[in-house]
Amino acid sequence: AQKVTQAQTEISVVEKEDVTLDCVYETRDTTYYLFWYKQPPSGELVFLIRRNSFDEQNEISGRYSWNFQKSTSSFNFTITASQVVDSAVYFCALSEAWNYGQNFVFGPGTRLSVLP
Amino acid sequence: GAGVSQSPSNKVTEKGKDVELRCDPISGHTALYWYRQSLGQGLEFLIYFQGNSAPDKSGLPSDRFSAERTGGSVSTLTIQRTQQEDSAVYLCASSLTWDRVPSSYNEQFFGPGTRLTVL
Repeated sequence: AQKVTQAQTEISVVEKEDVTLDCVYETRDTTYYLFWYKQPPSGELVFLIRRNSFDEQNEISGRYSWNFQKSTSSFNFTITASQVVDSAVYFCALSEAWNYGQNFVFGPGTRLSVLP
Repeated sequence: GAGVSQSPSNKVTEKGKDVELRCDPISGHTALYWYRQSLGQGLEFLIYFQGNSAPDKSGLPSDRFSAERTGGSVSTLTIQRTQQEDSAVYLCASSLTWDRVPSSYNEQFFGPGTRLTVL
């Protein structure tokens, strides 16, 4: 069975601080995909990244970076020099390859508040 | 261009009433997905459509829930005899295709959701 855990329910940081959001997943499939989504106060989920299970290279996109560690089943997300606009709920998600796109499992989300 | 839209944005209903939630996907998107987000919970996948067909309805919480899609475009999620535990935000997403191989073509774009409150 698939499961995604985001142990941090809420995080508050002051602007310009770095912050890491944790994501731990469970799957029996050897091929799977991991995602991060951002849900700002407007409610719409915004796709941030998709990662497949056979590519463990870390990814950097501007102030965002992702650390994928298969050995610990983690896919953590770091925001460098956080900004107020980063305030949102962030979801980590998993989709196994055999039913990709047909059944996403989301974590409970981490609410990030960036204070000015 | 226009994104995914959902209506109504908010719906308050009484227990036992039926409700219909509407999703207008991005024009040309053949795949459509429904999710439920309960208070403090993550997203729960409900159902997806390939064109007008829903191959797997097992994600629907109960037989009070049904969904249809006509003309390969608009989809309606219907909840009959609503219960208080149905209160949640219902999110719709669409993607260009439903291919099993992930690509930019099956990236999901989400709508703003419909907040349903059952009194």
